[in-house]
Amino acid sequence: EIVLTQSPGTLSLSPGERATLSCRASQSVSSSDLVWYQQKPGQAPRPLLYGASNRATGIPDRFSGSGSGTDFTLTISRLEPEDFAVYYCQQYGSSFTFGQGTKLEIK
Amino acid sequence: EVQLVESGGDLVQPGRSLRLSCTASGFIFDHYGFHWVRQAPGKGLEWVSRIGWNGGTIAYADSVKGRFTISRDSGKKSLYLQMNSLRTEDTALYYCAKVSCSASSCFLDLWGRGTLVTVSS
Repeated sequence: EIVLTQSPGTLSLSPGERATLSCRASQSVSSSDLVWYQQKPGQAPRPLLYGASNRATGIPDRFSGSGSGTDFTLTISRLEPEDFAVYYCQQYGSSFTFGQGTKLEIK
Repeated sequence: EVQLVESGGDLVQPGRSLRLSCTASGFIFDHYGFHWVRQAPGKGLEWVSRIGWNGGTIAYADSVKGRFTISRDSGKKSLYLQMNSLRTEDTALYYCAKVSCSASSCFLDLWGRGTLVTVSS
């Protein structure tokens, strides 16, 4: 089973700053299988990026993704107040495991 | 309206059974695969099970294999999760989610609001 490890566990930033979230896999993952989700308190997750870098419907272009092999990154170029949430990566391939999440909080 | 609505969550004793349902509306149910994903209180997301658009390609997480069974009913536009031999560690909010695929990439594009399962004596 592929294990996804996200870092940092918590990221404290201010609106307007740039956020960089990491997702590392225990073995190589195809870029086409890497997905990012956002979850706000009391809400279901919603997809942000699929295939590592493709934005899902309605996702603003301040969200971008990159990476390959075992290292993937979600970048939020300029944080808006509504971006403070928990972010999960998932590999949608041989199994469907999620990372443990990164909480993005207001500094 | 395009949505998924879960139901069936309850408080049950360890060792008992429960069946969750997820009813779809607003899209062609038969065209899509579905997953169950759970979230223990205050914890992260844990993938539970998946079923393909035609009822095939079924898979389970090791933590539920042999105890949980996923199924679907096209006539009722519904997805199910039969949960047997429940354990306290199965306590969680259970989400159903629909699969969307674009080119060679798939992801969970539509989620329900979840149904809460509490396993406790």
